[in-house]
Amino acid sequence: ETGVTQSPTHLIKTRGQQVTLRCSSQSGHNTVSWYQQALGQGPQFIFQYYREEENGRGNFPPRFSGLQFPNYSSELNVNALELDDSALYLCASSLVAGFYNEQFFGPGTRLTVL
Amino acid sequence: AQTVTQSQPEMSVQEAETVTLSCTYDTSESDYYLFWYKQPPSRQMILVIRQEAYKQQNATENRFSVNFQKAAKSFSLKISDSQLGDAAMYFCAYRRGGTSYGKLTFGQGTILTVHP
Repeated sequence: ETGVTQSPTHLIKTRGQQVTLRCSSQSGHNTVSWYQQALGQGPQFIFQYYREEENGRGNFPPRFSGLQFPNYSSELNVNALELDDSALYLCASSLVAGFYNEQFFGPGTRLTVL
Repeated sequence: AQTVTQSQPEMSVQEAETVTLSCTYDTSESDYYLFWYKQPPSRQMILVIRQEAYKQQNATENRFSVNFQKAAKSFSLKISDSQLGDAAMYFCAYRRGGTSYGKLTFGQGTILTVHP
């Protein structure tokens, strides 16, 4: 069973640029959630995708957008990067079956905005 | 809105000793789940233990156990016989129940250091 993978591991961008982060779900999972973790803080929920539709969103501006593909992999896109977007971005996949679904996290992508 | 608070930014313990990490939460929901996650320096978040709010019995997973006080909205993690590999950032997290929508709300984390 393959776990959650994310790419790239590290990324450096400059303010105003756009970035795409990628996530491959664990085999059999149909839901992907994205979190932003600032240094020394707990992760903050960005949004969740279930069967290619956005299934909930946290308090993040529209320049944070996402996609989920038919194979349940996912992308997080951030436009007009700001310095405060520097963080570890975590992807978590789960299988929605009833009301409980354990989220399995990937290793994260470290984004630095200069 | 739900909030999760971890009041101990850092904790330390001697190897083989017991340590308790604190967590409080605020919610108006009656159906929810609580979790403790471990994030080692390699960054991959791992689920340590889970508690369903409707269960009165405290969850236990090997050396890890919780003290769930629903009325006090308290959810502490006890690690027994601490090992060097337990050193990590620990996060308490909340998830609303009764829905497939799986947003996790995390606390600020507690860094646990284990001394040999």
